[in-house]
Amino acid sequence: AQRVTQPEKLLSVFKGAPVELKCNYSYSGSPELFWYVQYSRQRLQLLLRHISRESIKGFTADLNKGETSFHLKKPFAQEEDSAMYYCALTSFTGGGNKLTFGTGTQLKVEL
Amino acid sequence: KAGVTQTPRYLIKTRGQQVTLSCSPISGHRSVSWYQQTPGQGLQFLFEYFSETQRNKGNFPGRFSGRQFSNSRSEMNVSTLELGDSALYLCASSLSGTGGTMNTEAFFGQGTRLTVV
Repeated sequence: AQRVTQPEKLLSVFKGAPVELKCNYSYSGSPELFWYVQYSRQRLQLLLRHISRESIKGFTADLNKGETSFHLKKPFAQEEDSAMYYCALTSFTGGGNKLTFGTGTQLKVEL
Repeated sequence: KAGVTQTPRYLIKTRGQQVTLSCSPISGHRSVSWYQQTPGQGLQFLFEYFSETQRNKGNFPGRFSGRQFSNSRSEMNVSTLELGDSALYLCASSLSGTGGTMNTEAFFGQGTRLTVV
């Protein structure tokens, strides 16, 4: 069975400091991994996906299959980055797909 | 284009009652999934529908059911409500969810906040 682990419930950093949100996964197949973000009073939205290998809002994430990790990083935190971040994995079972989410990390960027 | 729309936004029900939640996916999206979000359990997968067929189901009791219509709109039903069913119910739609990596991006609705008293 697939599993996503986000060890930190809360991460507090100062503005301008580097950010790393940790995510580890367990999946027997070839994973497709995502980071979703939920800003206050907004809907859950996709931040980035490992397939795209892109940088969104300064965030990047690299899939490390050896360590089964997909950590989210940003070199300089901004106040507007404060939000709830969820790491998620897509698995394809029974012909369909489902997202398995981690428990989320609340990022708080302090001035 | 319009995003995923869920109605109603808020519901208060009494224990033992049943409830139906509705989700209108993004136009052209054929896959609709439902998730339950609670502070204690986080986001948990309920089920996924594609072309009116349930393709995937999470570990929830049979009181939780759903369906999808020919226009891809989906409803979720919870019967014999329990206090523990209080949660934010999220609906997500995607193009196909058939395993094609560029088609599995899920777009979420605002959710329906269900309170059982």
